[in-house]
Amino acid sequence: GQNIDQPTEMTATEGAIVQINCTYQTSGFNGLFWYQQHAGEAPTFLSYNVLDGLEEKGRFSSFLSRSKGYSYLLLKELQMKDSASYLCAVREEDLYNFNKFYFGSGTKLNVKP
Amino acid sequence: EAQVTQNPRYLITVTGKKLTVTCSQNMNHEYMSWYRQDPGLGLRQIYYSMNVEVTDKGDVPEGYKVSRKEKRNFPLILESPSPNQTSLYFCASSLKGRQETQYFGPGTRLLVL
Repeated sequence: GQNIDQPTEMTATEGAIVQINCTYQTSGFNGLFWYQQHAGEAPTFLSYNVLDGLEEKGRFSSFLSRSKGYSYLLLKELQMKDSASYLCAVREEDLYNFNKFYFGSGTKLNVKP
Repeated sequence: EAQVTQNPRYLITVTGKKLTVTCSQNMNHEYMSWYRQDPGLGLRQIYYSMNVEVTDKGDVPEGYKVSRKEKRNFPLILESPSPNQTSLYFCASSLKGRQETQYFGPGTRLLVL
């Protein structure tokens, strides 16, 4: 397996900004994904990075630095409904163009009023 | 409606009794995958398929089998389930492309006694 690390739990206040970090070690890097998962539900896609830099998508932004093996997800103007787990996932591609996915164990975000 | 479906959603079984969890997608996706999710361990890929008749092991394939005879279906087979296979299972599918994200099914919660 690959080492994908993210904080276990974070707490933030409604209306604030929170940054969730993810570090990874991998070979054959072919993209980094962020997913949101509410308790008891399936993960849903939030963002994708394959090149260095920032991708912005409404209240959510994701950053990638391939040389540092580092990404973060930035959530602005937090809402109570943002309380969920956030999963960082790395896609690897091998010599045969086969794709495997490796997920971090997720960061549980608690948004308080 | 574009979706990934899994059946059953909940299953209680006993050690050694063969079972199959079905997965079907209606989006004409080439890539399909099975994951298990356990507390503290995150999502771990069991098997994946790049296309019909093309499957490969993920991170935790022991005790599982898959087949991909048709594009839309990707069943997960547990020939002789054991209690350590008690978990939440997700099927996912995506188009085969660099920027394509996976769409997850609703999950199957399995308890092996």
